[in-house]
Amino acid sequence: LAKTTQPISMDSYEGQEVNITCSHNNIATNDYITWYQQFPSQGPRFIIQGYKTKVTNEVASLFIPADRKSSTLSLPRVSLSDTAVYYCLVGEQTGANNLFFGTGTRLTVIP
Amino acid sequence: GAGVSQTPSNKVTEKGKYVELRCDPISGHTALYWYRQSLGQGPEFLIYFQGTGAADDSGLPNDRFFAVRPEGSVSTLKIQRTERGDSAVYLCASSFGGRAADTQYFGPGTRLTVL
Repeated sequence: LAKTTQPISMDSYEGQEVNITCSHNNIATNDYITWYQQFPSQGPRFIIQGYKTKVTNEVASLFIPADRKSSTLSLPRVSLSDTAVYYCLVGEQTGANNLFFGTGTRLTVIP
Repeated sequence: GAGVSQTPSNKVTEKGKYVELRCDPISGHTALYWYRQSLGQGPEFLIYFQGTGAADDSGLPNDRFFAVRPEGSVSTLKIQRTERGDSAVYLCASSFGGRAADTQYFGPGTRLTVL
């Protein structure tokens, strides 16, 4: 049983805010939520991590509701260079189940 | 400092051959991970090392796959009797700690093609 589900793809115009939601209904009490970004021919790169409420860094914001059964990655004013695949991971302890990337969300930014 | 490096960047081999893929993690990172990524799919967990020992190898698809990390730094993923279905990008990552919540730093991957 997959730990996370995300939309397969999204399109957005340059300059818009993009929100990508990840569902994780079976999240455990100690689990953190981590988002990675992957460009073609590169390994994934850490974007942001959170446990509850809201986290913001220079790249993105992460919104986590009180029940923690989902999370939303928010990218402000996307540019063409934000075209990539975005993955959310849920887990705390290492293990195959916690290192599940799924298929991710392919974001395409259109000029 | 330097990031995670992987060699070779590309490997083409024939069905039935043996291959070794190397990963140099970030210095000081105790945890090392191997993933396999097929076209259009996310990284698929293979094995995780904490120090020299394989803490979780449940993702290895069969006994043709084996990985070592003898000195707790460099790791080698070994594939025996390669099959065409083994063709994929093999990614290595390292992290300072060993939890799923710890930030993983990925290498660029090795693209393996089995003819």
